[in-house]
Amino acid sequence: EVRLVESGGGLVQPGGSLRLSCEASGFTFRSNSMTWVRQVPGKGLEWLSYINGGSTTVFYAGSVKGRFSISRDNPKQSLYLQMNSLRVEDTAVYYCARQSGIAAAIDAWGPGTLVTV
Amino acid sequence: SYVLTQSSSGSVAPGQTATISCEGQNLGSKVVHWYQQKPGQAPVLVVYDNIGRASGIPERFSGSISGNTATLTITRVEAGDEADYFCQMWDSINDVVFGGGTKLTV
Repeated sequence: EVRLVESGGGLVQPGGSLRLSCEASGFTFRSNSMTWVRQVPGKGLEWLSYINGGSTTVFYAGSVKGRFSISRDNPKQSLYLQMNSLRVEDTAVYYCARQSGIAAAIDAWGPGTLVTV
Repeated sequence: SYVLTQSSSGSVAPGQTATISCEGQNLGSKVVHWYQQKPGQAPVLVVYDNIGRASGIPERFSGSISGNTATLTITRVEAGDEADYFCQMWDSINDVVFGGGTKLTV
């Protein structure tokens, strides 16, 4: 069973930093691309960043480019999102998800972790 | 930036057919995916690549695309289908784009 579990969310002051982690299990992590999506409670979904299995291809949404950084540790089966210069408008639930290619569907999601700025 | 437009809400009686639309410029030439999200839960993939039904999704769910509109159709709607539905696509300039979501009330 594919399982994704985020951690690291919490309360942070504007201008502060936070690092989200996502622990994956139930599939061959190193062979799968991963993505981060966020959702302001009660609002829509916003894609943030994508990384391929070998970390050679990375994409960012314009709203977070230069402030957020995606990375992964394949032996640890973990995905990360380093968030710097946080703003009030970054308050949201952050989802870790599996996406086989940048144009592909997001076929597995974690339960999300809440970040409050 | 590329915009996917969805009606904010819709209602349907149990047993009837629900159609949820997603509009975007030249959408028919792109690949669209659909997600279902129930309150307090993460989204779940229901339709991929315009017409593919995701694993574990009932045959009552189907997708189509034509012109500028992608459509998610749910036949024989059940109470458990009440949820928010989001369309999503990738654009080489704007990266991954989600529609604003449609709240389906049964």
